[in-house]
This record gives sequence, C-alpha cells and structure tokens, in this order.
Amino acid sequence: DTGVSQDPRHKITKRGQNVTFRCDPISEHNRLYWYRQTLGQGPEFLTYFQNEAQLEKSRLLSDRFSAERPKGSFSTLEIQRTEQGDSAMYLCASEGGQGGYTFGSGTRLTVV
Amino acid sequence: DQQVKQNSPSLSVQEGRISILNCDYTNSMFDYFLWYKKYPAEGPTFLISISSIKDKNEDGRFTVFLNKSAKHLSLHIVPSQPGDSAVYFCAADYGGATNKLIFGTGTLLAVQP
Repeated sequence: DTGVSQDPRHKITKRGQNVTFRCDPISEHNRLYWYRQTLGQGPEFLTYFQNEAQLEKSRLLSDRFSAERPKGSFSTLEIQRTEQGDSAMYLCASEGGQGGYTFGSGTRLTVV
Repeated sequence: DQQVKQNSPSLSVQEGRISILNCDYTNSMFDYFLWYKKYPAEGPTFLISISSIKDKNEDGRFTVFLNKSAKHLSLHIVPSQPGDSAVYFCAADYGGATNKLIFGTGTLLAVQP
C-alpha cells in the first residue's frame, strides 16, 4: 500500500492551454474522488467514480473539465482552455471498505 | 451556501493545554461527520469521525463531540503538542451511495512550545 499518488505535484500553464492530471488510487479501493481546493477554502467535491463508472459530477465541473477512470484503476482529470480561475489544488482520494478516504498530496495548478 | 462552517480561521494554544476546534452545520440530513488534518503541501489525512447517532467519540488524545440539536460539533485535542500544528477541516457526509464530503473552510491550529 503506497497510498494515493498524484502526478504532477505542480503545474504552471498559460491561460488557454489544456492540462491533464493523473491519480493512482490505492489498488484495492473501488471508489475514487476528485476535489478542488482554493485558497482559504476547504476541498470542494468535483466528481466520483465507482470502479470505471463516473456516477456523480458537481456543477463546479464545467464542460471544460473531463475525468476518466479507464478499467477502474488510475484516473485522469483534464481541463481544456484553462482560465485563471482554475488555479487551485486538485486533490484525488480513494476509498474502499472501512477507514474512509485516503487523499493524495494533490496537484497544484497555476494558470498564468 | 456554506453548509459546513468553521468560524475561527485560526487558533493558538500552549503546548500541553487543550485545543478546541468548532464546526457548525446547517443541513440536518448529514449523518456522519469527520475531522481531517492537513499539513502544507500534503493532502488531508483522516483524524476521527462520529456518526449522527452518537454524541461523543474518543481516540487517544482526540475527542469529537456532536450536539445535533445545536447542529454543532467540536474536536478536542488534549494535551496539545507542537506536531498538532496544522489546518483542521470539519467535513460532513449525507450518507447514501456516494460518500461525498462537504468540507468547512478550515481552522489553522498553532501549538506553541
């Protein structure tokens, strides 16, 4: 059990570019979540996967955002045509059985 | 529409004393509450939780109290240690299939040696 791994840890991109983040959950966890945290706020729910099925999406997840979890293993979160308001920490968490969520260390996105 | 509120952005406590972090919520449908601790440049880590059918849960130095009638919960840390210095988030869960969490804005705890 190496925990939840997120890559990259930091990403600086120019406005209008596309970015993709990856999350590798704990291998036996079938639930995977994406959250976003902006300065001074708590994490906000973006989307949830049960295995490979995306079962819920927040209204925060505009049509520029897309998430996938092929084969129910790792997940990717893509943001197209990034805007300065997308600058945030993107957190991935996985869950399975008892013990609640395990969060990764996050990907900090800065849009300049 | 902040359903989970942590009204104290920061708290400073002397080492060895009790730290009390507070959280209020507005939605009576929440049935499970959790506290997470977050160090800079790391993701939140789970600390302790409580079901809505209980009013207290204790784990070592950490105790969470739930007052459903007041829609209020608190986290007590005693004795406080410098390593407890971190941001503490309160979170609530509706239950059901998703286990989606609603987080408060966090309280920065500083434990002074």
